[in-house]
Amino acid sequence: GEDVEQSLFLSVREGDSSVINCTYTDSSSTYLYWYKQEPGAGLQLLTYIFSNMDMKQDQRLTVLLNKKDKHLSLRIADTQTGDSAIYFCAGEGGGADGLTFGKGTHLIIQP
Amino acid sequence: NAGVTQTPKFRVLKTGQSMTLLCAQDMNHEYMYWYRQDPGMGLRLIHYSVGEGTTAKGEVPDGYNVSRLKKQNFLLGLESAAPSQTSVYFCASSYRGDYEQYFGPGTRLTVT
Repeated sequence: GEDVEQSLFLSVREGDSSVINCTYTDSSSTYLYWYKQEPGAGLQLLTYIFSNMDMKQDQRLTVLLNKKDKHLSLRIADTQTGDSAIYFCAGEGGGADGLTFGKGTHLIIQP
Repeated sequence: NAGVTQTPKFRVLKTGQSMTLLCAQDMNHEYMYWYRQDPGMGLRLIHYSVGEGTTAKGEVPDGYNVSRLKKQNFLLGLESAAPSQTSVYFCASSYRGDYEQYFGPGTRLTVT
């Protein structure tokens, strides 16, 4: 099945760009997802990318996909305190049990 | 459109007690999931359902049972709670298995 790996923590200064990285093993995923979890809340879909794309931009968010290296990244421009959260990447597990999630990256914003 | 709702939001149980967590979705999704989230462990799939009347085991099913009697509801039961089941439980639903999942707000369960 799919295995999804992420770093556990990322610390950035307010106003800088944040880049959260993810690697995955199953190249058959049609879509790859980024979810955001704010403290005390559930996961919310932030953005996604179709597997035949290598980049998707949505306001401050840029998703880059390198299919050859099975590497997915999420760049947040001009990081704000409201971006402080846990970010999960997810891909399809290849079976009926839905998506496979990484363990999540805690984004810490320094003033 | 409420999306995915979970009840209760918080619960404290004593070891050996039983309880049922309720998940409801109003999006007519076929797939529903129960996860637990523990520090450093990410999300782990407990059980899932691919349609009304069906259930299947996920990664960590032991100590839990589920039922999907109605399409919109997915119940998670703990027959005899143990301290190791202290966790935050999330329910999710999706139109299909490879589509985005919509999450509920979570239930924080403490077993003493």
